[in-house]
Amino acid sequence: DAGVIQSPRHEVTEMGQEVTLRCKPISGHDYLFWYRQTMMRGLELLIYFNNNVPIDDSGMPEDRFSAKMPNASFSTLKIQPSEPRDSAVYFCASSLLVQVGDYGYTFGSGTRLTVV
Amino acid sequence: GQQVMQIPQYQHVQEGEDFTTYCNSSTTLSNIQWYKQRPGGHPVFLIQLVKSGEVKKQKRLTFQFGEAKKNSSLHITATQTTDVGTYFCAASRYGNKLVFGAGTILRVKS
Repeated sequence: DAGVIQSPRHEVTEMGQEVTLRCKPISGHDYLFWYRQTMMRGLELLIYFNNNVPIDDSGMPEDRFSAKMPNASFSTLKIQPSEPRDSAVYFCASSLLVQVGDYGYTFGSGTRLTVV
Repeated sequence: GQQVMQIPQYQHVQEGEDFTTYCNSSTTLSNIQWYKQRPGGHPVFLIQLVKSGEVKKQKRLTFQFGEAKKNSSLHITATQTTDVGTYFCAASRYGNKLVFGAGTILRVKS
């Protein structure tokens, strides 16, 4: 398996523009997570899905953020409109149910978003 | 909400010295995981601890889960330059939702 695949790797956009981040989880993984990493706030969980259904979106900062998982092999995180404070590295991760084995999250390589 | 406190924030050691990072929670945890993130990279899963008092080893790395399942530690014996990175603990009380600690940045001077 190629692991969790995220695109794009880097995104530079102007304030006010729409940004869409994409993720392909590992085949067979039931859970998909979106995290945001910044120096100030560390790794923050934004939202996670189980079997394509959003379970907890309490970490989504504002209505400007939305996430979808239309099928088991694809998820998007959209920011509209983007703001400079959204600049961060956005990670997607997928996993099996961690409690039943020695499984952890598998993270993608991340998307480094810069909003100018 | 649930938080895990991780200390120290930063440690700079001489190659060959030992290194320990600690993770603490005010609530009982169902499990705890450890991850390593190299500079410019992404977090990589190292290990999961589930049982009270559990100790696991991976070569020079020793992981412990406290008896009360509220704290954990990662100890590296005789650090090498390849150990450089940020070490995160991540914990859940229930379900599959992990909360990550702030991480300990390890720098190794050769």
